[in-house]
Amino acid sequence: SQELEQSPQSLIVQEGKNLTINCTSSKTLYGLYWYKQKYGEGLIFLMMLQKGGEEKSHEKITAKLDEKKQQSSLHITASQPSHAGIYLCGATLSGAGSYQLTFGKGTKLSVIP
Amino acid sequence: EAGVVQSPRYKIIEKKQPVAFWCNPISGHNTLYWYRQNLGQGPELLIRYENEEAVDDSQLPKDRFSAERLKGVDSTLKIQPAELGDSAVYLCASKGWRGGEETQYFGPGTRLLVL
Repeated sequence: SQELEQSPQSLIVQEGKNLTINCTSSKTLYGLYWYKQKYGEGLIFLMMLQKGGEEKSHEKITAKLDEKKQQSSLHITASQPSHAGIYLCGATLSGAGSYQLTFGKGTKLSVIP
Repeated sequence: EAGVVQSPRYKIIEKKQPVAFWCNPISGHNTLYWYRQNLGQGPELLIRYENEEAVDDSQLPKDRFSAERLKGVDSTLKIQPAELGDSAVYLCASKGWRGGEETQYFGPGTRLLVL
């Protein structure tokens, strides 16, 4: 089974709407990373969370790591077409090496103008 | 600052042929990773280098895949012979610090199609 589950798998929103993407782990998260990927391109680092309860924001994107450190959410406020792409969560998990990132399958976001 | 560079960007080959991918990490980054990303999936680690040493290659299919990072800078990943199931995007990443956070920086990837 997948160690990192992302939901939803895909999302279509109207421009200007808010949205949330979730990433749930079956193990304790030591570090949680959010990346964005556009077709044909590599992964672009968005932000990293380490402490339970931590919350970070960059422009209109906010990521949170829950207190128990097994789930993270990515929230986009007032979505724009430029937010479209695939959002991937990656994590360093208990039982794995501290340098190894395990990724979810990604959430495909489409923003309709 | 230049990012992670990969070449070629695209490669189409027939099965049983060899293929090689090249990666130049961000200057000063000692840790280099090769990932494989299948369609609709997240990247999966193939191998990790610390300088010129492969410290984690447990996920590398060693019967047909090989990698090297001879001088601890750029790296090559090779498949010989390629199989249909090797069609995927091969991503290179290097690890470093930015804004007080240590993270992996990814190249654009090489998209491989095996016919």
